[in-house]
Amino acid sequence: DVKVTQSSRYLVKRTGEKVFLECVQDMDHENMFWYRQDPGLGLRLIYFSYDVKMKEKGDIPEGYSVSREKKERFSLILESASTNQTSMYLCASSFAGAKSYEQYFGPGTRLTVT
Amino acid sequence: AQTVTQSQPEMSVQEAETVTLSCTYDTSESDYYLFWYKQPPSRQMILVIRQEAYKQQNATENRFSVNFQKAAKSFSLKISDSQLGDAAMYFCAYRRGATNKLIFGTGTLLAVQP
Repeated sequence: DVKVTQSSRYLVKRTGEKVFLECVQDMDHENMFWYRQDPGLGLRLIYFSYDVKMKEKGDIPEGYSVSREKKERFSLILESASTNQTSMYLCASSFAGAKSYEQYFGPGTRLTVT
Repeated sequence: AQTVTQSQPEMSVQEAETVTLSCTYDTSESDYYLFWYKQPPSRQMILVIRQEAYKQQNATENRFSVNFQKAAKSFSLKISDSQLGDAAMYFCAYRRGATNKLIFGTGTLLAVQP
């Protein structure tokens, strides 16, 4: 079974802190994604990566950055956390190209910024 | 820009009955894919069913089937013989053929009554 894991299920941080959310997948997927999930807004793409050290902005990249130094690991960084970044963060991964029908999701990290 | 609309924020169904969740989308592309994802409470999101736009036949996966109306840009999910384990948030998603990015609707929360 494909496994996508996220470093924390729940996280509480203070405004202004630097926050790291980690995601690891074990299926040798080329693509990895970070989404933000908010009630009434669905999932919105923050960033995605199609290869090591390669990244592309999604729909809401402001206030976030990412890092992908190894194929299996994709990190989301909040440089200076703000209260409006309180949300559920979901990581996903998939194969590239013709095999990329399905994205596999992690369990999510519920981040609260106070 | 492509958009996905789920007009039913919440739905309810009796166990063993049938329920249909609605989804409409807007695109000018001819090559695309449509998906339904299920997010059970406190559990990981999983793919339920997918439909390739070039296929006229509606996709079916056991008790789950879709009604794909390409001209109307409609993609509804039918769940037959509903079970308690079907209770979840359901997201409709769109992907343009040449890309890896998914665009999600806002979700429909399905309750199954015993």
